[in-house]
Amino acid sequence: GAVVSQHPSRVICKSGTSVKIECRSLDFQATTMFWYRQFPKQSLMLMATSNEGSKATYEQGVEKDKFLINHASLTLSTLTVTSAHPEDSSFYICSARDGTGPSPLHFGNGTRLTVT
Amino acid sequence: AQSVTQLDSQVPVFEEAPVELRCNYSSSVSVYLFWYVQYPNQGLQLLLKYLSGSTLVESINGFEAEFNKSQTSFHLRKPSVHISDTAEYFCAVSDLDAGNKLTFGGGTRVLVKP
Repeated sequence: GAVVSQHPSRVICKSGTSVKIECRSLDFQATTMFWYRQFPKQSLMLMATSNEGSKATYEQGVEKDKFLINHASLTLSTLTVTSAHPEDSSFYICSARDGTGPSPLHFGNGTRLTVT
Repeated sequence: AQSVTQLDSQVPVFEEAPVELRCNYSSSVSVYLFWYVQYPNQGLQLLLKYLSGSTLVESINGFEAEFNKSQTSFHLRKPSVHISDTAEYFCAVSDLDAGNKLTFGGGTRVLVKP
């Protein structure tokens, strides 16, 4: 149980275009999902907390107009990288918590974004 | 703010040898502790967790970690590693005082050699 599906796994786009990444909780409902960014050989950096039915909470230094997050249902959150630039190339990972309190996060398999 | 330190960025180890990955976190009244494993180009998989109770927690694949409150540590160990244990390992702390936000350490890359 507690599977998080992330799509696409890999995407290449041209500079200036927008890319949407989907994150779905397949067998549980997630009122909160989390979006992380991971640079090569580095740890995960929390970008934002996605809340179902309300605005996302962004971490300091993360541009909310560039990284648009929508959490329209209890099983789906999307991250749209708008007007992508080569420096946005990274590994993006979503996660969700099955339940409340201290239950562990379940992670998607990540999306490798390459902006040319 | 909570911080998590993994002292070793890379640990080379021979197959069937023991391994220990160190993790220390900044002090907090109430924390939950996790170890995650990441294989190349994949997301993270939960390895084990400490929420309460026994300070020694074990995973199904032979890993164990011990919560030491006085030393604010949660080191991960395995008595005998396999080639398949080659991966990146992340220690993470969930701070109740910060709304259960998960903070990750920098990661330790384990390279198991034959």
